[in-house]
Amino acid sequence: QVQLVESGGGVVQPGGSLRLSCAASGFTFSSYGIHWVRQAPGKGLEWVAFIRHDGSNKYYADSVKGRFTISRDNSKNTLYLQMNSLKAEDTAVYYCATSVVVAAPFDGFDIWGQGTMVTVSS
Amino acid sequence: QSALTQPPSASGSPGQSVTISCTGTSSDVGGYNYVSWYQLHPGKAPKLMIYEVTKRPSGVPDRFSGSKSGNTASLTVSGLQAEDEADYYCSSYAGGDNWVFGGGTKLTVL
Repeated sequence: QVQLVESGGGVVQPGGSLRLSCAASGFTFSSYGIHWVRQAPGKGLEWVAFIRHDGSNKYYADSVKGRFTISRDNSKNTLYLQMNSLKAEDTAVYYCATSVVVAAPFDGFDIWGQGTMVTVSS
Repeated sequence: QSALTQPPSASGSPGQSVTISCTGTSSDVGGYNYVSWYQLHPGKAPKLMIYEVTKRPSGVPDRFSGSKSGNTASLTVSGLQAEDEADYYCSSYAGGDNWVFGGGTKLTVL
């Protein structure tokens, strides 16, 4: 069964750090680029970051550039998001997502995790 | 990286058709045939409904269709059913390995 499972969310104070994980199973993780997408309470989806299948290139939304770092360990089939200098506006459900079944190179995120909640509050 | 523009709400009666628009720019929607649509039910993960503007993943009813004209993409749901009531989001590749989502549209089945 193809699936992604996020973990690591929680409550953190402004300025703090948190590392999210996304464990993949049921597919060849090392063959696919993968994204982080978030949804703030009552708000829409926002693309956060993308990493290529081999970790060679990483891309970020302007809103998180310089504060968040996406990485992956293909030996552990796991994606990470290191979040530093957190702000209240980073409060959101964070999803990992990828395109496996439709295997679309530039869209079509057909596999999503269930999400992990991050709350930035004092 | 401005969000794509979607109407906040749309509605229709069972059996009717409804179309949701998604307006971007020539740097995203208008520049690439990489527009996707996602269905979100509360508390559940997003579900891919349309990708590459018009393609439908296996298992998605053919009542769902996508199109694009210029900088505006559209999702049409024909033969509305109660279970179609959800939030719908468009997204587009925006070049340089960046992506952008729309603000979302709440579809109500009357």
